[in-house]
Amino acid sequence: DAGVIQSPRHEVTEMGQEVTLRCKLISGHNSLFWYRQTMMRGLELLIYFNNNVPIDDSGMPEDRFSAKMPNASFSTLKIQPSEPRDSAVYFCASRIAGGTQYFGPGTRLTVL
Amino acid sequence: AQSVSQHNHHVILSEAASLELGCNYSYGGTVNLFWYVQYPGQHLQLLLKYFSGDPLVKGIKGFEAEFIKSKFSFNLRKPSVQWSDTAEYFCAVGARTGANNLFFGTGTRLTVIP
Repeated sequence: DAGVIQSPRHEVTEMGQEVTLRCKLISGHNSLFWYRQTMMRGLELLIYFNNNVPIDDSGMPEDRFSAKMPNASFSTLKIQPSEPRDSAVYFCASRIAGGTQYFGPGTRLTVL
Repeated sequence: AQSVSQHNHHVILSEAASLELGCNYSYGGTVNLFWYVQYPGQHLQLLLKYFSGDPLVKGIKGFEAEFIKSKFSFNLRKPSVQWSDTAEYFCAVGARTGANNLFFGTGTRLTVIP
């Protein structure tokens, strides 16, 4: 069984550029979570979806961040324009309702 | 409000020492409880979970955790740690039903000295 798939695994970009992170859920899962992890702030929930609908986006830092689920198995997190303080590891995770949350391998983003 | 507290931020042990990491939660309703481990440079992986039944849960790599409902606690234990247990450990709690989020503690970094 394939786990949560994230791409790219590493991204290095310059300040001001648009960044798109991608996530494929585990088949059959219907909830999707985006997290950001930094040394300073630890693990932060950015947004989560249930059945493609955003349920809580209160963790999204600002309007530069947006997330979508164009279908039941795929999600994107976009940062436009990116800033150096966005540098972090971004994880997505998926689960079925009431079940275990499984994490993807993460995308390490570096904004120069 | 829902919250998870991990009181130990950094624990340093010698190999073969016993480990106990504290986790307390505040959550209305029936809960599922989880411990995740994050090895250096890797993603969070499930270590063990409690959904119902025996409150003493055994996980991978010799870890176990005990759910004490009256204390709202789910402490993680291992009788004898190894150098390879060096990692960050996260406790998480979520509603037993529904599509609610999991709430994570801030994590405890464990360093095991050979």
